[in-house]
Amino acid sequence: DADVTQTPRNRITKTGKRIMLECSQTKGHDRMYWYRQDPGLGLRLIYYSFDVKDINKGEISDGYSVSRQAQAKFSLSLESAIPNQTALYFCATSDLGGAQHFGDGTRLSIL
Amino acid sequence: DAKTTQPTSMDCAEGRAANLPCNHSTISGNEYVYWYRQIHSQGPQYIIHGLKNNETNEMASLIITEDRKSSTLILPHATLRDTAVYYCIVRPLFQGAQKLVFGQGTRLTINP
Repeated sequence: DADVTQTPRNRITKTGKRIMLECSQTKGHDRMYWYRQDPGLGLRLIYYSFDVKDINKGEISDGYSVSRQAQAKFSLSLESAIPNQTALYFCATSDLGGAQHFGDGTRLSIL
Repeated sequence: DAKTTQPTSMDCAEGRAANLPCNHSTISGNEYVYWYRQIHSQGPQYIIHGLKNNETNEMASLIITEDRKSSTLILPHATLRDTAVYYCIVRPLFQGAQKLVFGQGTRLTINP
């Protein structure tokens, strides 16, 4: 969905490095989400935000932090990356109607 | 969220209608049926959702049975680019965290 843009699309980095994944949206949605996807495990929710002043932990928030800089921007940080954080990361947005719209993902590899 | 059951895989000829079934016999009165798909290495894509009436948009049609225990997603003229894994999800319209739980889905292959 071109209305939800994630950067970078691919990133390879080393254990211990700090990494930031960025997400921006032009859909005007208040709600934004960060998921990770691992083979055989489906989507797992990391953090979500219902508006600029609202941040909530998902099911696997340990090792991650987020910042909602504006309605349109929601970034995910890995403070000290570890190899088991290697995954495909997706940002999503939704309005109150519930349908979530995803970006094309960031493929992150931690060596 | 109510549990859903979908066939593991389906094939369809290009240009024909693809009909993807979903069973959700434990659906509650306030739960909607949502359909998403995921094309390999891309983000999940929202397709359509509905409560009890049939719905149609530019991508697909959704037919929900009168008892709401099952539904069918219809791609009217399938193309090769519709090859993807399709997920049927049942959940309330307004749900706290709104985390999406994708089951195994149906792997739809469109053949030339």
